[in-house]
Amino acid sequence: SQTIHQWPATLVQPVGSPLSLECTVEGTSNPNLYWYRQAAGRGLQLLFYSVGIGQISSEVPQNLSASRPQDRQFILSSKKLLLSDSGFYLCAWSVYEGLSPLHFGNGTRLTVT
Amino acid sequence: DQQVKQNSPSLSVQEGRISILNCDYTNSMFDYFLWYKKYPAEGPTFLISISSIKDKNEDGRFTVFLNKSAKHLSLHIVPSQPGDSAVYFCAASGGYGGSQGNLIFGKGTKLSVKP
Repeated sequence: SQTIHQWPATLVQPVGSPLSLECTVEGTSNPNLYWYRQAAGRGLQLLFYSVGIGQISSEVPQNLSASRPQDRQFILSSKKLLLSDSGFYLCAWSVYEGLSPLHFGNGTRLTVT
Repeated sequence: DQQVKQNSPSLSVQEGRISILNCDYTNSMFDYFLWYKKYPAEGPTFLISISSIKDKNEDGRFTVFLNKSAKHLSLHIVPSQPGDSAVYFCAASGGYGGSQGNLIFGKGTKLSVKP
């Protein structure tokens, strides 16, 4: 069966520090991969998605970037964190073809101080 | 402007009875609808989905109904169990390929099932 791993579960970082969140998927090949964020008091919002290695699409302009160095690995990064980057970050995967649900990891709670 | 609305922030139901969670949407281009369940400190877990070519989909105790003319969908849980207590999110999307993952989520309904 497929599983998705996301770490760390919680993270406290000072303003201006770098960020790297990692997500890996097991049990499937060539998945679509996604990064979502839930800011305080707001709904889940898509940040990035990828349909293959090295292919990244951004949905909203922001201080973050994403990379997909391997088929089942998705990384969310920032060179310098802002206070507004605080939130709950979720990685998700889906099969490549057709209408199919997204399957989410357990998320990372990021607090920028 | 919210494209997916869950107007009831909370719902309380007795164990064994039916739970009905409602969701309204405004974008007629949405063609795929999903329900997720979320426990605290966990990511959302996929429950059930329906495409716009259907009006009903069942999976065990869970049934989703879609009324396209009213732009309304609902999730029925029968019978409700205490373990069903969680926040339920409705989501919708309107594309294929990578963009199918651009799910628009409602703000959730907290379901409490009383023993």
